Amino acid sequence: DAKTTQPTSMDCAEGRAANLPCNHSTISGNEYVYWYRQIHSQGPQYIIHGLKNNETNEMASLIITEDRKSSTLILPHATLRDTAVYYCIVDQSQGGSEKLVFGKGMKLTVNP
Amino acid sequence: NAGVTQTPKFQVLKTGQSMTLQCAQDMNHEYMSWYRQDPGMGLRLIHYSVGAGITDQGEVPNGYNVSRSTTEDFPLRLLSAAPSQTSVYFCASRDRGTTNEKLFFGSGTQLSVL
Repeated sequence: DAKTTQPTSMDCAEGRAANLPCNHSTISGNEYVYWYRQIHSQGPQYIIHGLKNNETNEMASLIITEDRKSSTLILPHATLRDTAVYYCIVDQSQGGSEKLVFGKGMKLTVNP
Repeated sequence: NAGVTQTPKFQVLKTGQSMTLQCAQDMNHEYMSWYRQDPGMGLRLIHYSVGAGITDQGEVPNGYNVSRSTTEDFPLRLLSAAPSQTSVYFCASRDRGTTNEKLFFGSGTQLSVL
């Protein structure tokens, strides 16, 4: 199983960039990395995903190392509303199967 | 679009009671799934469906039944509730076979079994 490893928690100052690391050393070549976040007890919200190349959207940037064994989610200008639990997931679903393993995630606290 | 709608938001059951958690999506997604989240834990997959009439077990299926008679609906049934099933339940859907197979989650059902 492609397990992901994240720090338990991280603090960031409001307005600064938040860099959230994730290790996924057993990822296979065709498996995507997805990032979600969960604010309080709401349903998780999609942030970004990637396979090999770096990706950017209106919410964040995703940097994937060349060997694909780790990635970093970057929130360029963190706000108080970015305080949440962030999940890094490797999508192992194939064909008719569904397999995404959510770990405990990482609690990001953005401080004023 | 309403997205993924779950009902009820809160429910309290006594041990042995049965109930159905409802989930509906209006995005015409083939894939739907149910997760449970226990305190301080990530989400664990209970059951999923890849289309109407097709369901399969996830990581923690025991004590739960599902069916998928339509594309839109994917109810989760607890036949005889146990305290170990106290949890927050999330329904999700997604479109597979594209380059962005992101999950859309409902707002969750908080279930307490006494």
